[in-house]
Parts: sequence; C-alpha cells; structure tokens
Amino acid sequence: DAGVTQSPTHLIKTRGQQVTLRCSPKSGHDTVSWYQQALGQGPQFIFQYYEEEERQRGNFPDRFSGHQFPNYSSELNVNALLLGDSALYLCASSPDPAGGNIQYFGAGTRLSVL
Amino acid sequence: RKEVEQDPGPFNVPEGATVAFNCTYSNSASQSFFWYRQDCRKEPKLLMSVYSSGNEDGRFTAQLNRASQYISLLIRDSKLSDSATYLCVVNIGGQNFVFGPGTRLSVLP
Repeated sequence: DAGVTQSPTHLIKTRGQQVTLRCSPKSGHDTVSWYQQALGQGPQFIFQYYEEEERQRGNFPDRFSGHQFPNYSSELNVNALLLGDSALYLCASSPDPAGGNIQYFGAGTRLSVL
Repeated sequence: RKEVEQDPGPFNVPEGATVAFNCTYSNSASQSFFWYRQDCRKEPKLLMSVYSSGNEDGRFTAQLNRASQYISLLIRDSKLSDSATYLCVVNIGGQNFVFGPGTRLSVLP
C-alpha cells in the first residue's frame, strides 16, 4: 500500500517563474492538504482539497493555487515565484474531510528559488 | 500571539534522561491534538494523539489540559534515536491542522 507520494523531490527555480508540484494521496484517502515549511519552522497550512474543490485555505496569496483530480491526486501551483517561497512543500492526505482525522505526509518537495 | 506555541529548544539531553516538551494553543474551540515527530529533512510522522485523559505509548506520555489550553509530551529513558524535532499539532475544526514551530531534541551518548 503506497503512502503519500510527491514529485519532484527537489526543484530549483528563479524569481518570477512558475512551478507545479504533484501529490498522490494514500490509498483510500480523498482529502489532500498542502503545507509550506520554511527552514526551522513548523508546516504552515496552504489549502485543502476534497471532491476536486478547495475546501479550506490558509493565509497564502492568490499566487498559490491548486487542483484536485478525479483520482484524488492534487497539484500545487505557485506563480511569480519569490525568494521567500523557498521551502519544503508537504502534501498530506486523510480519509475524509470531517474533523480530527490523522494526516499522513509525503516526503515533500524541496523548492529553492534563486 | 501565535495559535500554537512550543518550547523553543533545542533540548540537549544525555541518553537515559527524561525530557518534557510543552505546548500551548490559543483557540479554545480546538478539537483534537497530536504530537508529530520530524527527522531532519524528512516529513512529519504521527507520534501519538493526545486525549483528555492522558495517554501513554511505551516511553512516551502525552497530557492535555483543556482548561489551561496546554499539551505536554514526556519522553522517558531517552534513546539516541529519539533525536528529532517534535511538533505539537492542533486541529481547530474540519481538516484545519495548525502546527507549532517544533522543539528540537538531541539525545547525546
């Protein structure tokens, strides 16, 4: 049973570019959340997708957008990259959107913006 | 005030020591609570959920005080392999999980 998988594992971009990160949730999970983790800090919630819709959103600008596909996989897109977007981007999945369920994390995509 | 705050750390302890981490949260409507462990450059992994009655898993004990909005994690008989960052996580409704900044633990031989 594959866990949460993310691709790519590492990415280097320059300011102003756009990036797309991908996530496949754990089998049986239909809810996907994305987090940004800067060095030395805890993960910060970006948004959550369920039934192909954005259900909740954290305090991130519109440059951060996402999508969920019918197979529950998800993409995170970041436009007009800034140096401050350099971080580990984590995807987490859970079995349903109801409260309190444990989240399972992928290994993350480490994004460096130069 | 941040939604979830933790001891800043780092904690450097010898093998066999007992170490306690503290966490406070600001949202009184928070519904569920967890401790996650994150190894260097890896993803967070669930260590244990935290229940109002307190719960224990081997050398690890978690406590929740809803009145004080306080969570703790106690590690007894520390092992070298316990070295990691410990993240306090609070669910404030739906799938909205708020992570603390983490407390780094180094267990020294």
